[in-house]
Amino acid sequence: QQQVKQSPQSLIVQKGGISIINCAYENTAFDYFPWYQQFPGKGPALLIAIRPDVSEKKEGRFTISFNKSAKQFSLHIMDSQPGDSATYFCAASMRDSGNTPLVFGKGTRLSVIA
Amino acid sequence: GAGVSQSPSNKVTEKGKDVELRCDPISGHTALYWYRQSLGQGLEFLIYFQGNSAPDKSGLPSDRFSAERTGGSVSTLTIQRTQQEDSAVYLCASSSGTRLVSDEQYFGPGTRLTVT
Repeated sequence: QQQVKQSPQSLIVQKGGISIINCAYENTAFDYFPWYQQFPGKGPALLIAIRPDVSEKKEGRFTISFNKSAKQFSLHIMDSQPGDSATYFCAASMRDSGNTPLVFGKGTRLSVIA
Repeated sequence: GAGVSQSPSNKVTEKGKDVELRCDPISGHTALYWYRQSLGQGLEFLIYFQGNSAPDKSGLPSDRFSAERTGGSVSTLTIQRTQQEDSAVYLCASSSGTRLVSDEQYFGPGTRLTVT
């Protein structure tokens, strides 16, 4: 049973465009939703994270939108740049239950073309 | 400061052999996680250590997999009698172990295991 479903698998965006990646979760006990960015040969690095008490969080060009009732959250990358080309993973965990391990989506390979 | 380090970076082994993968977490981090990343898949949780508590082994795929964390710092993931389906990148992460939003998991670069 996949607890976090991520789409699309791959995404091609023009430079300057908006990249949107979506995730849906099943476990209503999840209370921490991070997005990770991974470049080839590197480990994932935290990009931005949100708790369910807010519907949106913005950090620079990156925004998480969170819909608790729909159990969905998404990553928006504004003004996408070639340097944003990487694999993005959404994840979820139960932080208030004692820092449980992250449950990851299967990833989205983003290519930003000039 | 130094991040999470893992060794070796690459490991090729023959089917049936045992392998040991090492993780050095960030100094002072009490929580340590092992994940497995197979081609085209997300990260799959394997095992989690938090301080002196008993580890959460719920993600280990079989009894061929085990892990230790000595002195609350370095961890070793051992895979016995390796199979071809064990081929993957094994990632280690550590965190300070608090419940703050700011407490993120820092990942190492991973060990790419190939079983021939």
